[in-house]
Formats: sequence, C-alpha cells, structure tokens
Amino acid sequence: RKEVEQDPGPFNVPEGATVAFNCTYSNSASQSFFWYRQDCRKEPKLLMSVYSSGNEDGRFTAQLNRASQYISLLIRDSKLSDSATYLCVARSGGYNKLIFGAGTRLAVHP
Amino acid sequence: EAGVTQFPSHSVIEKGQTVTLRCDPISGHDNLYWYRRVMGKEIKFLLHFVKESKQDESGMPNNRFLAERTGGTYSTLKVQPAELEDSGVYFCASSQESGSIYEQYFGPGTRLTVT
Repeated sequence: RKEVEQDPGPFNVPEGATVAFNCTYSNSASQSFFWYRQDCRKEPKLLMSVYSSGNEDGRFTAQLNRASQYISLLIRDSKLSDSATYLCVARSGGYNKLIFGAGTRLAVHP
Repeated sequence: EAGVTQFPSHSVIEKGQTVTLRCDPISGHDNLYWYRRVMGKEIKFLLHFVKESKQDESGMPNNRFLAERTGGTYSTLKVQPAELEDSGVYFCASSQESGSIYEQYFGPGTRLTVT
C-alpha cells in the first residue's frame, strides 16, 4: 500500500466549476501536509500547506482530518490556468523528507 | 530572490558512464534535498542535507549514487556508473526552518536519460 494515495483522475471540468480532490495517508506519524501543483515537464510548486484547522487561499481551500488520515483540496471557480497535476504530500514524521502521492490530473475546459 | 537552480537541465549518457548533477539552493536555506521521479512513478526522496551534513540518506538507491555538499552551499549528485534504470528527473529542493512546517521549494530538475 502506498503511503499517500490519490485518485489519479483525470478530472475534466468546465471553467467556473468547483472541484474537490481527496488524498489519504497511511503513516499516522506524518506531521505536516502540503498540496503542490505540477505542470507538464515542470517542477512541483508549493500551492499551500495544510493545517489541522483548515486553511483557505483565495479560491483554494485545504482540509486535514487526522482521525481519518484524510486531506482534501477544494478549488472554486476553476480557471483554465488551473489545469495541472495536483500532488498530495506528507512530511514524514520525525524527518523532513516528503512523501508524494502520484498526483491527480485536472483539466479545465472552456 | 533567486529560486533553486539545477544544472544541467538535460543529460543524455551511455550506460556505464558517469554524470554529476548540481543544485544551488535558495540563499540562506540550510536544508537541501534530492528527489527523483522515474517514468510512471511518484516523486521519491533520495537524501537530505543540513548544511554540509547528511541528515537522512535512506532513499539513496545504491552505492552508485554519491551526494556531497561541501561548505554547506551547493550540492552535487554523482551517478557512477550509470545504469538504464537511473533514467528519470532529478529534483533538488531547499527549505529553511519555519516553525514546524519546513516548506520545501523545488528546482526545475535535471532530466537524465541513460541509453
């Protein structure tokens, strides 16, 4: 079983739609969580850190449920420029190494 | 502020040859990491430096890989001798301590092809 699991998608949505991605992690000792965005043949770019209380950054909202070991990302009012792969990432407990999910592809169409 | 830089952007070598990848972290970041993505797989951790010391090298695949960070600034990752399965994209990341979050910022990667 992978440490971080994501639905690979693709999610095909029209502009303006709301889309939600889910992610589960298996290591209960994981301490921090992140969503990264990766465009084709580019490096992962940090989208947002995920806090236990949930956090929002513009059109993006991230939630963490430690009891269920579940992380989510909600994107409201999708833009064409949101098309990318979204990587769910856990920081390994006690260490700084990041554990990546395989990514969820999002395609926003006109 | 300059981001993480990596050199070269691409490298094509033959099996058995040696390749050295370089990473320059964001200025002032003591933590430097190497990751790798092989075709069809997720990004995997290789190792972590704090300044010039190896903090965690649990992800290094075998002793054909050697990472150094002399002086605690830039880092090199040498693969010697390269094998076909070493092909992939090698990413470097850096971070500074920021509370307990340790946000890592990635370089553009080096795409390595071993033929």
